[in-house]
Amino acid sequence: GQSLEQPSEVTAVEGAIVQINCTYQTSGFYGLSWYQQHDGGAPTFLSYNALDGLEETGRFSSFLSRSDSYGYLLLQELQMKDSASYFCAVRDRNQGGKLIFGQGTELSVKP
Amino acid sequence: GAGVSQSPSNKVTEKGKDVELRCDPISGHTALYWYRQSLGQGLEFLIYFQGNSAPDKSGLPSDRFSAERTGGSVSTLTIQRTQQEDSAVYLCASSLEVQGTYEQYFGPGTRLTVT
Repeated sequence: GQSLEQPSEVTAVEGAIVQINCTYQTSGFYGLSWYQQHDGGAPTFLSYNALDGLEETGRFSSFLSRSDSYGYLLLQELQMKDSASYFCAVRDRNQGGKLIFGQGTELSVKP
Repeated sequence: GAGVSQSPSNKVTEKGKDVELRCDPISGHTALYWYRQSLGQGLEFLIYFQGNSAPDKSGLPSDRFSAERTGGSVSTLTIQRTQQEDSAVYLCASSLEVQGTYEQYFGPGTRLTVT
């Protein structure tokens, strides 16, 4: 089966940098995605990594190391609006298009 | 165009009743997914459709749960004889296709409360 581990919560201050780690186990890894979910809202797509390395999109970057079954989401210049839950999710080539989600990391950004 | 829509947004039902939850995916998206999210938890995969076919129903918790999709568009998730443990937010997502497309677009969800 598949499993993912990520910290349950992280706290940081405005303007800081925070890294949310995700380790995964899956038999046919296809890619690692990150989603953001604000309280009461729908998850929204942030990034996707299929190959090793860093993908940068504005203040957010995502990293993948397939050999280590590890990835992280890096948020820079934190803003209050970044307070949300962040989920990593894997796609397994043996499981069609479905995503297997981690339990989520609740990020609290303090003034 | 419009995003993924779901109805109702909230549903309160008595234990033992049947409920139907509806999802309207983004037009042209062939893949449709149902997930369930309990309070403070991650998203639990239930079922996905490729067109009108459901290649993977492995996440459905019991035979009380069923889903269908018609015309390659609207999908309905039905829960029969609801139980209190069915209380959760049911999220629908769609994507252009199953393989090769990695971004899923989520609807706002249906919050189901079984009393």
